[in-house]
Amino acid sequence: QVQLVESGGGVVQPGGSLRLSCAASGFTFSSYGMHWVRQAPGKGLEWVAFIRYDGSNKYYADSVKGRFTISRDNSKNTLYLQMNSLRAEDTAVYYCAKDLMDYGDYFVFDYWGQGTLVTVSS
Amino acid sequence: DIQMTQSPSSLSASVGDRVTITCRASQGISNYLAWYQQKPGKVPKLLIYAASTLQSGVPSRFSGSGSGTDFTLTISSLQPEDVATYYCQKYNSAPPEVTFGQGTRLEIK
Repeated sequence: QVQLVESGGGVVQPGGSLRLSCAASGFTFSSYGMHWVRQAPGKGLEWVAFIRYDGSNKYYADSVKGRFTISRDNSKNTLYLQMNSLRAEDTAVYYCAKDLMDYGDYFVFDYWGQGTLVTVSS
Repeated sequence: DIQMTQSPSSLSASVGDRVTITCRASQGISNYLAWYQQKPGKVPKLLIYAASTLQSGVPSRFSGSGSGTDFTLTISSLQPEDVATYYCQKYNSAPPEVTFGQGTRLEIK
């Protein structure tokens, strides 16, 4: 079965950096685009970033563009999110999510990890 | 940017009721619309994509309809396990555009 396990969350000061990881199993990781989606405490969902199955294309929400970098290592079945210049408004649970369609950029999320909490606070 | 507005923001219904949640786009989005269910303390779950395609394993009491700007999620007979917040999501890959509605909280009366 599909499993996505995030790690790397924690408390960081404003302006700091953090790197999230998402270990994938139960499907052919190298065939699917992957996303990060976040949810601030008590709030709704916000898409953050996408990386194509082969890493050739990356897209970002305007709110994180220039500060966050998505990457993947298909040999390790792992997705990453490097977060720099963190702000209080980046505080959220960060989910990695699998794209619905293989070899496509569909932007529908059919499997989600359990999430990792990032708190930006001094 | 295209905005997605859900209504109502919350609702309370009885077991067995037919429940309808509406999602309206500020511009036409064809059928690029998905619905997710998030139970309290849980991870979001994909219910429907392409406005009306039921995701594998989702109970048939859930259905979606609509095209253009107006979409609906219908639960034909509400069950206690359907207590959750429901989100609509507009998607497009060229150029990439993903917007969620603000959510509709569904409770049992």
